[in-house]
Amino acid sequence: NAGVTQTPKFRVLKTGQSMTLLCAQDMNHEYMYWYRQDPGMGLRLIHYSVGEGTTAKGEVPDGYNVSRLKKQNFLLGLESAAPSQTSVYFCASMARLPYEQYFGPGTRLTVT
Amino acid sequence: KNQVEQSPQSLIILEGKNCTLQCNYTVSPFSNLRWYKQDTGRGPVSLTIMTFSENTKSNGRYTATLDADTKQSSLHITASQLSDSASYICVVSLNSNSGYALNFGKGTSLLVTP
Repeated sequence: NAGVTQTPKFRVLKTGQSMTLLCAQDMNHEYMYWYRQDPGMGLRLIHYSVGEGTTAKGEVPDGYNVSRLKKQNFLLGLESAAPSQTSVYFCASMARLPYEQYFGPGTRLTVT
Repeated sequence: KNQVEQSPQSLIILEGKNCTLQCNYTVSPFSNLRWYKQDTGRGPVSLTIMTFSENTKSNGRYTATLDADTKQSSLHITASQLSDSASYICVVSLNSNSGYALNFGKGTSLLVTP
């Protein structure tokens, strides 16, 4: 049981490049989330999903897209990376009960 | 806008001492409150989760309290250890139909020194 895994762990992009971050969970959880964490800002919700095939915007969705084609995977895409997207990205999953949220180890992204 | 405020922002204590971290929130309607521990370079890990009807919950040397009337919570760490050095994040959940919205505090950074 690996819990929540994220790929890749580190990435450096040039402005304008695109990439996809992969989150996978093996706990059969319904809910999945993508957050970004910046110094002094705390965790901020980018997008979330309440089930396979559904996604919704969070607090800071601009510049990101997501997809949840399979229940166990939640993909975060950056179509045209900007330096403001330099951050640590965390994925999380949660079951309906007891609403315990499990986080992945994070992806450190730098956009130059 | 729903808010979760934590204090202090940072704290330094000696190994073996106790400490208390505070969390005040304005989230409504409130569903539950969680405390997470986040080690440097790692994802947050849940310490406790309390519903509005619970006043206290313990997890080893960690004890969380909740006063839903005053919208305050605290996390008490007993007999601190060097491994307690981390960021502690308070998270308050809205009872929402749109995905169980979570409101995160900015965290308290705790450093335990020898």
